[in-house]
Amino acid sequence: RKEVEQDPGPFNVPEGATVAFNCTYSNSASQSFFWYRQDCRKEPKLLMSVYSSGNEDGRFTAQLNRASQYISLLIRDSKLSDSATYLCVVPSGTYKYIFGTGTRLKVLA
Amino acid sequence: NAGVTQTPKFQVLKTGQSMTLQCAQDMNHEYMSWYRQDPGMGLRLIHYSVGAGITDQGEVPNGYNVSRSTTEDFPLRLLSAAPSQTSVYFCASRVAGGPYEQYFGPGTRLTVT
Repeated sequence: RKEVEQDPGPFNVPEGATVAFNCTYSNSASQSFFWYRQDCRKEPKLLMSVYSSGNEDGRFTAQLNRASQYISLLIRDSKLSDSATYLCVVPSGTYKYIFGTGTRLKVLA
Repeated sequence: NAGVTQTPKFQVLKTGQSMTLQCAQDMNHEYMSWYRQDPGMGLRLIHYSVGAGITDQGEVPNGYNVSRSTTEDFPLRLLSAAPSQTSVYFCASRVAGGPYEQYFGPGTRLTVT
C-alpha cells in the first residue's frame, strides 16, 4: 500500500455541485493532515489543516476517519474557480511530509 | 511580506553543468525544505533544514547539496546536472516544532539537456 493514495481523477462536475475526494494513508501514527490546492504550473497553497476529527471553512469541509485511515475533502456549491488539483499531505514524523499525487477537479459551466 | 521567494523561475542547463537554485523567506521560519515535482508523482523531499547550520537529507538527495548559513536563505546546489534532474523545484518553509503547514515558493522549472 502506498503511503498516501489519491484518485487522480479528473472529477468533472457542473457548477453548483457537491464533490468529495478521499485520501488514504498508511501510517496509523499520523496525527495531522493537510489539503493543498495547486493550480496548473503554480505552487501548492494550503487549503485546510486537519488536526482532529475534521475542519470546516466556508464551502470546504475536511473529515478524518482514523479507523479506516482516510481523510476526505468535501466541496459544496462548486465554483469555476475551484478547478485545480487537490493534494493530500501526511506528515511522516516531525520534519518530513508525504504528498499524494493529487486529485484533479474540473468545474464545468 | 514577500513570503517565500525563488530564483530563477526558469533555467536550462546542459548535462554536467552546475548551478544554484535560490530560496529565501522573510517570515523568520526555522524550517525550510526543497522538493521536486515530476509528472504523475507527488512532491518528493530533497533536503530540509531545521535551522541555521542544520540540514538533513530527504527522500531523493542524490545529486544535490544544501547549506543553511542564515535563517532566511536555503540554496540548493546541483553539482553536475543530469537529464533526470529535469523537474519543477519548490522551496517551502514553516515555523519550528510541528509538523505544521508549509508555505511554498513559486517554483523553478529546470530543464537539463
